[in-house]
Amino acid sequence: AQSVAQPEDQVNVAEGNPLTVKCTYSVSGNPYLFWYVQYPNRGLQFLLKYITGDNLVKGSYGFEAEFNKSQTSFHLKKPSALVSDSALYFCAVRAILGDTGRRALTFGSGTRLQVQP
Amino acid sequence: DTGVSQDPRHKITKRGQNVTFRCDPISEHNRLYWYRQTLGQGPEFLTYFQNEAQLEKSRLLSDRFSAERPKGSFSTLEIQRTEQGDSAMYLCASSLTRGSSYEQYFGPGTRLTVT
Repeated sequence: AQSVAQPEDQVNVAEGNPLTVKCTYSVSGNPYLFWYVQYPNRGLQFLLKYITGDNLVKGSYGFEAEFNKSQTSFHLKKPSALVSDSALYFCAVRAILGDTGRRALTFGSGTRLQVQP
Repeated sequence: DTGVSQDPRHKITKRGQNVTFRCDPISEHNRLYWYRQTLGQGPEFLTYFQNEAQLEKSRLLSDRFSAERPKGSFSTLEIQRTEQGDSAMYLCASSLTRGSSYEQYFGPGTRLTVT
């Protein structure tokens, strides 16, 4: 079975400071990893993904994430937080199981990011 | 708007009634997924289609739940004899099986309240 852990329910950071939202995963084999953001009363928006290749991936709105296979982590980062980044962030994993494998994503419970002015 | 759309956005129903939700995926996407999200939790997988074939169903999808994608385009999710525990946000997503496009794109969701 695959699972995702987001150990922090909430992360508070001051505007302009760097932010990190943590994610660890458990999956058989190699993972596909994703970050999504959810604003109030809106659907999930795709931010970035790791499929293969460079461990540091860049995504929308200046976000990036680092894949660390040995630590089974995929932390979301941004060098300088904006108030408008305040939202709910979800990490998700999908196992690479070939054509017959499961295609659905397994999500973490979410981390609320609060950026103070 | 060429994104995933869902209808209705909100549904209030009495316990025991049947409800049906519709999802229209991004037009060229051949995979369609249904998830359920309750307050304070991440989305949980319910079922997914590749074209018109339903390829996987979660154990969360009880006998009261049924989903269809008859022509490989839009999909419907029906809940029969609703229970209060069915109250949740029902999310639809779609994706494309080509290249490295593994990400799923989500609709705004249908919020179901069972009274």
